[in-house]
Amino acid sequence: EVQLVESGGGVVRPGGSLRLSCAASGFTFDDYGMSWVRQVPGKGLEWVSGINWNGDTTSYEDSVRGRFTISRDNAKNSLYLQMNSLRVEDTALYHCARTPRGEPGAFDLWGQGTMVTVSS
Amino acid sequence: DIQMTQSPSTLSASVGDRVTITCRASQSIRTWLAWYQQKPGKAPKLLISMASTLESGVPSRFRGSGSGTDFTLTISSLQPDDFATYFCQQYKSFYTFGQGTSLDIK
Repeated sequence: EVQLVESGGGVVRPGGSLRLSCAASGFTFDDYGMSWVRQVPGKGLEWVSGINWNGDTTSYEDSVRGRFTISRDNAKNSLYLQMNSLRVEDTALYHCARTPRGEPGAFDLWGQGTMVTVSS
Repeated sequence: DIQMTQSPSTLSASVGDRVTITCRASQSIRTWLAWYQQKPGKAPKLLISMASTLESGVPSRFRGSGSGTDFTLTISSLQPDDFATYFCQQYKSFYTFGQGTSLDIK
């Protein structure tokens, strides 16, 4: 089955860290760029970070740059998001999503998400 | 940064109705626009890319149009399965989403 499955979310204090993972299956992982998109429950979607097919190009939304690090391991068909210096406003459901390699592309497959709660 | 303004934020309609959702970009994005459908507790589902290209398996009652800064998603005859939240997204420069339109049953 073609799917993305996130894990690693949880409850953390402000200033803490978490590492999210996204396991891909059913397709050739390195045919795709990958992104993390977050969603406050009941609210809209916000792109957080993206990485190209081989990991040599990464990008970040301004509010997370310098605190979050995206990476991937194509041998393990996995995407990661290292989240440091977490803030209350980072609380959200974090989805991973894929986009076809090459030209800019829409996200044609999403995971269900993993919840991150930052609270004291 | 490219901002996306989507309207309306909520829309009440009946089965069989024709509905239209609009999305406006703060600058030209040519046709680098996608539409997604999301149901409660589920991941977003890509419906339309490149402003008007229907994804495989998406019913033909969904239609996307527009270019530059102004775009529309039209559902020609609402079915019970269509009541959901819809988002537009630009992908010309990184990614930005509209605020979403919650489509509910009148």
